[in-house]
Amino acid sequence: SQQGEEDPQALSIQEGENATMNCSYKTSINNLQWYRQNSGRGLVHLILIRSNEREKHSGRLRVTLDTSKKSSSLLITASRAADTASYFCATDWWGAQKLVFGQGTRLTINP
Amino acid sequence: GAGVSQTPSNKVTEKGKYVELRCDPISGHTALYWYRQSLGQGPEFLIYFQGTGAADDSGLPNDRFFAVRPEGSVSTLKIQRTERGDSAVYLCASSLQGGGMETQYFGPGTRLLVL
Repeated sequence: SQQGEEDPQALSIQEGENATMNCSYKTSINNLQWYRQNSGRGLVHLILIRSNEREKHSGRLRVTLDTSKKSSSLLITASRAADTASYFCATDWWGAQKLVFGQGTRLTINP
Repeated sequence: GAGVSQTPSNKVTEKGKYVELRCDPISGHTALYWYRQSLGQGPEFLIYFQGTGAADDSGLPNDRFFAVRPEGSVSTLKIQRTERGDSAVYLCASSLQGGGMETQYFGPGTRLLVL
């Protein structure tokens, strides 16, 4: 079963705009990670945020985590055509090594 | 350095056949994971190796699925008596030590199609 749910399932915006994707999860977590996937193949790790962190930045990416609401958001600023991909959040929890993924958000950046 | 590699990239087989999928993790990574991803879904965990041993195989769907990692490096996922429902992309990942705070690095996947 999948723990996380991404919202929206699909998002289409113009190049240069900001894209925001949300992830909600069900149980207490240790870390939350965001991954990108192009064309249904390998996943590329974007950013990891620990349960005691509230915000993290990496280049054009900004991730927030609200453990009280069991939710996270990924913001991509100044989007580019190359950002077109599926984005997944994944969680893990104490004592478990596996990642539990959401269903993903399909992001399309229109030139 | 080299990332996680998986072979074959694509595998087409007939229902009832046996298949083996191979994963070469990043050199030095002791933890290795297998996931399965169906169309339009996120990856789902199958099994986790710490060294040579399967530390968590709770995601294997049934006893037709088996995985080994005899020397603590390369791993093989084996599927017996394949069914059409086994069609999916099988993803392998590795991490340095297997601690819960580590990034898992994914390979490109093997796309399995069972006819």
